[in-house]
Order: sequence, then C-alpha cells, then structure tokens
Amino acid sequence: AQTVTQSQPEMSVQEAETVTLSCTYDTSESDYYLFWYKQPPSRQMILVIRQEAYKQQNATENRFSVNFQKAAKSFSLKISDSQLGDAAMYFCAVSMDSNYQLIWGAGTKLIIKP
Amino acid sequence: DTGVSQNPRHKITKRGQNVTFRCDPISEHNRLYWYRQTLGQGPEFLTYFQNEAQLEKSRLLSDRFSAERPKGSFSTLEIQRTEQGDSAMYLCASSLVIRGDTQYFGPGTRLTVL
Repeated sequence: AQTVTQSQPEMSVQEAETVTLSCTYDTSESDYYLFWYKQPPSRQMILVIRQEAYKQQNATENRFSVNFQKAAKSFSLKISDSQLGDAAMYFCAVSMDSNYQLIWGAGTKLIIKP
Repeated sequence: DTGVSQNPRHKITKRGQNVTFRCDPISEHNRLYWYRQTLGQGPEFLTYFQNEAQLEKSRLLSDRFSAERPKGSFSTLEIQRTEQGDSAMYLCASSLVIRGDTQYFGPGTRLTVL
C-alpha cells in the first residue's frame, strides 16, 4: 500500500527566513506525481507546487521550490522569504498513474513569526 | 474559470437525519472526487467519478453514503441516518483525466452531527 509521511506536525519560522517541510512516501509504482497543497485556517485547499516523478529537475514556483530525491522517496518543500500569508497547514500528496487517487500525508502546521 | 463550488458551506443536523451536499466542478473537468477530512488530518478519499460513471469507492464509504453525478456535471453526496462520527469537512475536487493532472478543490462543506 502507498503511504505518505510528514514527520513534522508543526514548524515555525521567522518572517523573511527560509523553512523546509519534509515529506517521504512509499510506492512500488514507477510513474507518479507529487504535490504540495496549502490549507489556511478555515479556507480551501490550494495547490502550491507539483512534481512529475519522471523529471529530474526540481520544480519551482516563485518562493516555493522542492527537493525531490526519487531514490530516497523524499519530496521536501522549501519556502524562501517566508511571509505572514504563508501560515497554513501544508499537505504532501502523491498521485499514482494507475488511478490518479491522491494519497495524503497528515500535514505540517506552519507558523510564521512576525 | 469559476473554480469548484460546494453547497452548503456548513450543515448542522441531528443524529439520524439525512443530509445532501452538492459539488459543482470546474466546467471542463471530467473527473470529480469526494474526500472527507477530520480536524488536524489530511483528506481521506471517498469516491470519484469520471463523467457520470462512479469508478471507485473507498471502504470508508458505508452503505449510508451514496454519491451521484448525473449527466457528468455536478455531483451530490448523501449521507443517510447520520451519526456523530460523520462530523467532518467534506471536500470536493475536480480534474481533467490526463496523466498526473492536478486536482482543484472546493471550499468544503462542514458537517456537524449533534
């Protein structure tokens, strides 16, 4: 069975600094996709960034970038120049090519200190 | 692109009553997913549709739960004889059925069963 693990229930970072959220997963499939979603308090789930497993190049979206280590089955999210609006629950998810169902981690609560 | 919408946003009901939620996906999306999310946890897959066909149901979806997607447009999720354990956020997402396509989420319906 596929699993996704986020080992950090909560992280805090000073505004304007950099933070890295970790995610590991387990799958026997060769083709899959990885996502980071953000869920602010009482607001909807928003896509932050996605990565295709067959691509070696790490995805970036403005201040957000990933460190994808396929052999280690690791997919961490780096947030640079943290802003107060980044405060949220961050979920890592994996979608297998066989059925596109998202398998989710338990989430990491990110706190931004002003 | 108006995004995924869900109604109602909040529902409070008494144990034993039936409730129905609606999801309107992004108009060109042919896949629609339902998830359940309890406080502090990641979403759990319930079921998904491709067009009007319901292709997969989670074991979490007991006989009291039923979902439909008539004509491949909006979807409804009905819970019969609600129980306190059904209290959760019910999320809907939609996507295009292409490899690794991103799921876009609605704001969710928060159900409270008294």
